[in-house]
Amino acid sequence: QKEVEQDPGPLSVPEGAIVSLNCTYSNSAFQYFMWYRQYSRKGPELLMYTYSSGNKEDGRFTAQVDKSSKYISLFIRDSQPSDSATYLCAMTTGGSYIPTFGRGTSLIVHP
Amino acid sequence: DAGVTQSPTHLIKTRGQQVTLRCSPKSGHDTVSWYQQALGQGPQFIFQYYEEEERQRGNFPDRFSGHQFPNYSSELNVNALLLGDSALYLCASSTRTAFYGYTFGSGTRLTVV
Repeated sequence: QKEVEQDPGPLSVPEGAIVSLNCTYSNSAFQYFMWYRQYSRKGPELLMYTYSSGNKEDGRFTAQVDKSSKYISLFIRDSQPSDSATYLCAMTTGGSYIPTFGRGTSLIVHP
Repeated sequence: DAGVTQSPTHLIKTRGQQVTLRCSPKSGHDTVSWYQQALGQGPQFIFQYYEEEERQRGNFPDRFSGHQFPNYSSELNVNALLLGDSALYLCASSTRTAFYGYTFGSGTRLTVV
């Protein structure tokens, strides 16, 4: 079993839809949770990070962490074609500072 | 402000050869981490350099080695290339403890034939 599981998709939605992207993990020591966006032929770029459980909002993006269920989510409101990319979750313990990545979910937002 | 610069962008090598990939970190960053991303997979941690020393290493064989220079730039060397080494190699820079501040380069696409 991988430490971080993420459905590869693709997830195809119409423009304006609310998108939900999710990851599960097995290591209860993970405390810091991140979401990266990766466009084709580019490196990942950090979207959001959260510490421990709870919600964090940034514009159209909301990150949610449920440590009791070992489950994290990224919600995208009013999705746009420019949001089409692969979304990678990543997480780390307090001591290692080395993020462990999921395999990424491919998102396609069609006009 | 330049971000992370990686070179070359693409590379084709023959099985058994050696390859060197290069990375210049973002201005103000002193830590460089290297990741391997196979097609359809997430980045896998290879190793991290800080103060010109390898600080942490992932589950990669000794064929993978690296170096960090006094100006914080870094090289990744892979010896005795295997077909399975074909991947996108990503360099990420950060400050020592700001893992959430990773800035990735666009990567080097290595194809081993």
